[in-house]
Amino acid sequence: DAEITQSPRHKITETGRQVTLACHQTWNHNNMFWYRQDLGHGLRLIHYSYGVQDTNKGEVSDGYSVSRSNTEDLPLTLESAASSQTSVYFCASSEALPGDTEAFFGQGTRLTVV
Amino acid sequence: QQQVKQSPQSLIVQKGGISIINCAYENTAFDYFPWYQQFPGKGPALLIAIRPDVSEKKEGRFTISFNKSAKQFSLHIMDSQPGDSATYFCAARGANNLFFGTGTRLTVIP
Repeated sequence: DAEITQSPRHKITETGRQVTLACHQTWNHNNMFWYRQDLGHGLRLIHYSYGVQDTNKGEVSDGYSVSRSNTEDLPLTLESAASSQTSVYFCASSEALPGDTEAFFGQGTRLTVV
Repeated sequence: QQQVKQSPQSLIVQKGGISIINCAYENTAFDYFPWYQQFPGKGPALLIAIRPDVSEKKEGRFTISFNKSAKQFSLHIMDSQPGDSATYFCAARGANNLFFGTGTRLTVIP
């Protein structure tokens, strides 16, 4: 079965370190998204991509970057981790725009910056 | 600035009761309004969705009511069951992306 997987599921890192969270989907979806989930804020869009070599900033993109070198993967990099980036991160993908087709979410990565 | 406002933050309902979660928005360009259900340790999953040209959509025990003039929409869960205990997020699509509410933690007591 096609799926979307995130790794690692849990990570603890130190302030100032570079961290990369992986997202891999096997549906061959063009659209991929990264969200962070925080209590009191719901899910907020960090970055998104509509295809290979395409990346776009979301509403909370400062301190994060993504790259899309193939259809299956959209890694999220924290250039210099900060305590404010402690959160649960979700990757999602969709065949077309969310709403025209369903967006599927991964199981999340819980990141703690100490 | 939260583009979609959701209430209540938490909700406790007896088994068999009706659960109601409300959302409001300001951006009239939003054109698609989904509800997502999230169980602990899992990612959100699409539950039901509606477009603004429809005032109500029902799927089993779940109903979305949509009031375009008031810019409000709500999720009604009829005959709530303990298995419905989860966090529910409303969302709205604008500029080709989804904007989420802050979530409602629903607990259904047996």
